[in-house]
Amino acid sequence: AQSVTQLDSQVPVFEEAPVELRCNYSSSVSVYLFWYVQYPNQGLQLLLKYLSGSTLVESINGFEAEFNKSQTSFHLRKPSVHISDTAEYFCAVRPISGNTPLVFGKGTRLSVIA
Amino acid sequence: EAQVTQNPRYLITVTGKKLTVTCSQNMNHEYMSWYRQDPGLGLRQIYYSMNVEVTDKGDVPEGYKVSRKEKRNFPLILESPSPNQTSLYFCASQMRTGADTQYFGPGTRLTVL
Repeated sequence: AQSVTQLDSQVPVFEEAPVELRCNYSSSVSVYLFWYVQYPNQGLQLLLKYLSGSTLVESINGFEAEFNKSQTSFHLRKPSVHISDTAEYFCAVRPISGNTPLVFGKGTRLSVIA
Repeated sequence: EAQVTQNPRYLITVTGKKLTVTCSQNMNHEYMSWYRQDPGLGLRQIYYSMNVEVTDKGDVPEGYKVSRKEKRNFPLILESPSPNQTSLYFCASQMRTGADTQYFGPGTRLTVL
């Protein structure tokens, strides 16, 4: 079975400051890794995903995440946040083979302060 | 527009009164899923469906039923709702499992009194 730990439930940060949202996972098999974002009063939407190849993946709005296999981590970073980044962020994993569902972490609420 | 729709978006009901939350997707996806979201617990999967007439339990299936008679629809049924089912519910779909992106509906906020 897989599990995902998001180490911070809430992260307040000032506008234009950098941020890192931490995600660690546990799995006995190889997994795909995802970050989803949930803006206020909306459903989740995919932010970025790691499937294979380069361990650094980027989103269109300036976020990036790096897959670290030895540390089983997939931390999300942004060098300069905006007010509009205020949202809840979920890390998720799914095994590469088989038909098992996504396993989500409990989420990290990012609050950007003006 | 490719989307997952849910209805109703908000529902207040009383204990024991059967209800159905509908979910529909227009992307011809094989895989559909229901989640509930509760503060501090993240998203927990209730049921999922790999294809028409194929459904399976997720992590928290007790008190819920689903059906998948058509590829596009995946309703969630609460035969006898209880207050502990007060939650925010999301339907999701994707082409298949594995690397495919999962698309989420806008959510249904259910309150059971």
